[in-house]
Amino acid sequence: EDQVTQSPEALRLQEGESSSLNCSYTVSGLRGLFWYRQDPGKGPEFLFTLYSAGEEKEKERLKATLTKKESFLHITAPKPEDSATYLCAVQVSMNYGGSQGNLIFGKGTKLSVKP
Amino acid sequence: GAVVSQHPSRVICKSGTSVKIECRSLDFQATTMFWYRQFPKQSLMLMATSNEGSKATYEQGVEKDKFLINHASLTLSTLTVTSAHPEDSSFYICSASLGQGRASPLHFGNGTRLTVT
Repeated sequence: EDQVTQSPEALRLQEGESSSLNCSYTVSGLRGLFWYRQDPGKGPEFLFTLYSAGEEKEKERLKATLTKKESFLHITAPKPEDSATYLCAVQVSMNYGGSQGNLIFGKGTKLSVKP
Repeated sequence: GAVVSQHPSRVICKSGTSVKIECRSLDFQATTMFWYRQFPKQSLMLMATSNEGSKATYEQGVEKDKFLINHASLTLSTLTVTSAHPEDSSFYICSASLGQGRASPLHFGNGTRLTVT
């Protein structure tokens, strides 16, 4: 069964304290892995797409990496405004029954950054 | 680009009534839109795929007669929760993709918090 597991469930950091969020996935065939940020009461905001193992993407204090089994979202010197829930989602290859819209989401990691 | 707007952001209704939620793609045309539902501390789950000019495709376990979807134009999809019950209370989020090759990310609206009393 295709699934996505994120850890930790919650993470509290001091401002400037770098850390990483983990997304482990088990899918028949990976077409793409996505990272989103979700603020309370809002829809997910797209951050990155990763397609293949070894790929990396960066945006400001965030860096996403991908291996064959997991993805990491590294947060360097976080600020309070980085506080949010970070979601990981995978799109399964259409050869394995996946579809464009049917992303498999993890439950997210709730990040709190204290000043 | 790829802005998706959803309305209303919050709605409270009485049990047995119907509620309509609108989803618009503001700066692009979307032949396909996707409706997700999110329960507290749970993953987003795809409910249905909305296809412009044709019938929606529902995921297993989602009642098509309860969740009516209409995709009448390339920029508007609506979800109507019919005869709502308290267990339908949830966060409903629509999304669309630019579809520009490979695995295109979904862009989400800001969601609708439905509370059925």
